Amino acid sequence: AQSVTQPDIHITVSEGASLELRCNYSYGATPYLFWYVQSPGQGLQLLLKYFSGDTLVQGIKGFEAEFKRSQSSFNLRKPSVHWSDAAEYFCAVGRNTGGFKTIFGAGTRLFVKA
Amino acid sequence: NAGVTQTPKFQVLKTGQSMTLQCAQDMNHNSMYWYRQDPGMGLRLIYYSASEGTTDKGEVPNGYNVSRLNKREFSLRLESAAPSQTSVYFCAHGQVEGDTQYFGPGTRLTVL
Repeated sequence: AQSVTQPDIHITVSEGASLELRCNYSYGATPYLFWYVQSPGQGLQLLLKYFSGDTLVQGIKGFEAEFKRSQSSFNLRKPSVHWSDAAEYFCAVGRNTGGFKTIFGAGTRLFVKA
Repeated sequence: NAGVTQTPKFQVLKTGQSMTLQCAQDMNHNSMYWYRQDPGMGLRLIYYSASEGTTDKGEVPNGYNVSRLNKREFSLRLESAAPSQTSVYFCAHGQVEGDTQYFGPGTRLTVL
């Protein structure tokens, strides 16, 4: 069965420090991979997605993610975190084939300290 | 607002009451979804509609019904609310299943 694991429930980083959020998935083929962000009291917003091609993808707000097939991972990174990045981040797996439902990880809450 | 509106934003119900959550999208997308979000559990799919005229169950459909009224609108109904349905409900839409989804702002529902 398909699954998505975000091992870190919450992470705290200092403003200006680098960030890496982990995501591992289980799927028989290469899926579509997504990172979404949810600010408090808001819906989810797409940060970036990977379908094929270059395994390093750039997203909005200075985020990037790298697909590593051998590790079944799609980790999200940002070189320098801003206080406004404090939010919850969700990794998700999808596939554009009939009947495939997008699966979301449980989320990682990011706290940013001054 | 990602081209989607949800109403109401907040609702308090008593056990056994019914209500309908409304969702409308203006991006002419085929697929629409209802999720619930509970602390520590991420998003769980309740029902979805791959296209106008079709609906199907997701991971947690019990206690809910849906209607895909037309291509724009997808409603979620609680026939007899229970405290276990206290949650934040999100409507989402996308061009095709498995691809990018666009989320509404959510409805915070409390069942007493």
